[in-house]
Amino acid sequence: NAGVTQTPKFQVLKTGQSMTLQCAQDMNHEYMSWYRQDPGMGLRLIHYSVGAGITDQGEVPNGYNVSRSTTEDFPLRLLSAAPSQTSVYFCASSYSIVGGDRSRKLFFGSGTQLSVL
Amino acid sequence: GNSVTQMEGPVTLSEEAFLTINCTYTATGYPSLFWYVQYPGEGLQLLLKATKADDKGSNKGFEATYRKETTSFHLEKGSVQVSDSAVYFCALSTTSGTYKYIFGTGTRLKVLA
Repeated sequence: NAGVTQTPKFQVLKTGQSMTLQCAQDMNHEYMSWYRQDPGMGLRLIHYSVGAGITDQGEVPNGYNVSRSTTEDFPLRLLSAAPSQTSVYFCASSYSIVGGDRSRKLFFGSGTQLSVL
Repeated sequence: GNSVTQMEGPVTLSEEAFLTINCTYTATGYPSLFWYVQYPGEGLQLLLKATKADDKGSNKGFEATYRKETTSFHLEKGSVQVSDSAVYFCALSTTSGTYKYIFGTGTRLKVLA
């Protein structure tokens, strides 16, 4: 039972570098999302996807790109890293909300701690 | 818009003390409400949820009641343990438009032996 797997667990970047945070789930979840966690700010939604080929922006999308070519994977790309992107990043997934059930819980990965120098 | 407001932490209690963490929300319609818990070095996991007014969610001795009249979903536990030390997040899922979760800022709980 792998659940939601995030890699890497830790990463240090220099300003201007690019990288991709990986997220994979093996539960056949249609809904996937990325959050960043900052002290005093809680969790803020970056991007989300309700199915393969469909993505949309959350509260804080600037500086991040996503794509969803398969149900299982939802990578988050930082195109040109900035110190303001130093944070802990969480990927989360959920079963489909077809039928309107909005009480389905989110399953979280263990997070990626990113530092941008 | 939708929002969740939690009491600021940290909250420090002695073992076996009574716990209350306040949570209020702003939303249209009838959102589902959740409490998630984050243990050190881990991702969040669902603690309990409630889907309609007057519902009580409960798990591991924790309880929270969906109060529509006061737009609140306060978390309570009668007797905390050291192992309950964690960060607790209140959250709601939106009732219309695209499916989204809105989280509060989190409340850190430290329980002393």
